[in-house]
Parts: sequence; C-alpha cells; structure tokens
Amino acid sequence: DAGVTQSPTHLIKTRGQQVTLRCSPKSGHDTVSWYQQALGQGPQFIFQYYEEEERQRGNFPDRFSGHQFPNYSSELNVNALLLGDSALYLCASSLVYRANTEAFFGQGTRLTVV
Amino acid sequence: TQLLEQSPQFLSIQEGENLTVYCNSSSVFSSLQWYRQEPGEGPVLLVTVVTGGEVKKLKRLTFQFGDARKDSSLHITAAQPGDTGLYLCAGATPNDYKLSFGAGTTVTVRA
Repeated sequence: DAGVTQSPTHLIKTRGQQVTLRCSPKSGHDTVSWYQQALGQGPQFIFQYYEEEERQRGNFPDRFSGHQFPNYSSELNVNALLLGDSALYLCASSLVYRANTEAFFGQGTRLTVV
Repeated sequence: TQLLEQSPQFLSIQEGENLTVYCNSSSVFSSLQWYRQEPGEGPVLLVTVVTGGEVKKLKRLTFQFGDARKDSSLHITAAQPGDTGLYLCAGATPNDYKLSFGAGTTVTVRA
C-alpha cells in the first residue's frame, strides 16, 4: 500500500517564476492538505481540499493556489516566486472525517528560490 | 506567534537516559498529535490523543493529554540513538480542519 507520494523531491527556481508541486494521497484517502515548513520551524497550514473544493485556507497570499482532481490527487501552484518561498512543502492526506486526528505526510518537496 | 509552544527547543542526552518534551497552549484542542520528523523527510504520526487526561503508551514512549486539553507531554524512557529526530506536536481546535504545529523539539541521543 503506497503512502503519500510527492513530486518532485527537489526543485530550484528563480525569483518571479511559477512552480507546480504534486501529491498523490494514501490509498483510500479523500482529503489533501498542504503545509509549508521553513527551516527550523513547524509546518504551517496552506490549505485543504476535499471533493475538489478548497475547504479551508491558512494565512497565505493568493499567489498560492491549488487543485484537487477526481482521483483525489492534488497540485499546489505558487506564482511570482519570492526568496522567502524557499521551504519544504508537505502534503498530508486523510479521510475527511479524520482529517484532524490521522493525517499522513509525504516526504515533501524541497523548493529553493534563487 | 505559534498557537502551540514546545519546550525545550533542543535536547541532547546520553543513550539510556529519560527525556520529556512539553507542548503548551492557551487554546483548547479537540485532538492533539505527536509526530517525529527526520531530516529531509515528512513527519511520521506517532500518536493521537483526544480525551482530557488521556495517557497513551507506545513501547518506550508515553504521551499525556492535559485535563483541560490545552497541553501535552511526550516522555521517552531509556532513550536510544534511533529516537533522534525532530518531535512535533500538532493540534486541531474545535470546528477547524487544519492542524496547528509547534516549532518542534530537536532531540539528539548520543551513543
């Protein structure tokens, strides 16, 4: 049983560019959440998707957008990249009724903006 | 400002010693989770506690949820080098879908 998979694992982008990160949830899970983890910090919630809709959003600018597909996989898009967007981006999947008690994380995508 | 405050920030101990990590907040949580994260990896769920006063044991790890559901602790008995990692607590407040994380405690167990 594959767990949560994210791609790519590492990425280097230039300021002002756009990036798309991908996530496939654990088999059977229907809810995907995205988190940003800066170096030395805990993960910060970006948004959560369920039934292809954004269910809740954290304190992130509109440059951060997402999508969930019918097969429950998800994408995170970041436009007009800033140096401060450099971080580990984590995807977490869960069942909708257990989103707050049993979230499983992927290995993350390390984004470096230069 | 972190909703959850973890202490200490760093902890370095000798193999065989015990350690305790604390997670505190002024908010009430409907559930609280503990994760361990190794460098370059995503957090791995260790335990979820949902009832005030609840104590859960996972081999040498003991987790406690405060009576008021505002704080939690993680105690490791006879620590081993394999326990080295970043320990994160995360909580969900009522009517909230997201997890709010603490900044983490970096634990190093020396052989």
